[in-house]
Amino acid sequence: QVQLVQSGSELKKPGASVNVSCKTSGYTFSYYTLAWVRQAPGQGLEWMGWINTKNGDPTFAQGFTGRFAFSLDTSVSTAYLQITSLKAEDTAVYYCARRAIAVGEFDYWGQGTLVAVSS
Amino acid sequence: DIQMTQSPSSLSTSVGDTVTITCRASQFISSYLNWYQHKPGQAPKLLIFGASSLQNGVPSRFSGSGSGTDFSLTISSLQPEDFAHYYCQQSFSAPPTFGQGTRLEIK
Repeated sequence: QVQLVQSGSELKKPGASVNVSCKTSGYTFSYYTLAWVRQAPGQGLEWMGWINTKNGDPTFAQGFTGRFAFSLDTSVSTAYLQITSLKAEDTAVYYCARRAIAVGEFDYWGQGTLVAVSS
Repeated sequence: DIQMTQSPSSLSTSVGDTVTITCRASQFISSYLNWYQHKPGQAPKLLIFGASSLQNGVPSRFSGSGSGTDFSLTISSLQPEDFAHYYCQQSFSAPPTFGQGTRLEIK
């Protein structure tokens, strides 16, 4: 069955960097775009962008350029989110999600990774 | 960007009731409208895609309707496990955007 399993919670200091992984299984990795979605405390879901798993091309939402990067390791069917120069306002739960082919819905999601930024 | 407006933002209701959540898009999105259920500490779960198609494994008490700009999610005969947050999301054009969410709570 399709699974997206994310790395565990992170506690970081301002200015540090964090990498969040999303390991997929149960389907052909390169067939589906992978998205990243953020949920800040008390807020709703916000699309950060996605990465084309065929060629590695990333697309970023406004507000997620510069300090955010998406990458892949196709040999282990895993996507990564890197955030540099962390700020307190980056504190959130980050989800990866598979973008389905039907109408572009997000049909499978990772369990979420809490990134907490505090001095 | 297409703005998605959900209503109500919260709803207090009882087991066995039927509830309807609405979602309005700021511009035409055909049937590219999806609904998700989200419980604290869990991954969001796709319920409905393409406005009215039920995702595999989702109980038939969930149904979706609408096209163009106005959509709704109806949950019939609410069960205890249905109390959660619900989000609509448009996939008509990038960036994909979510509604602000509806919190469904037990009265």
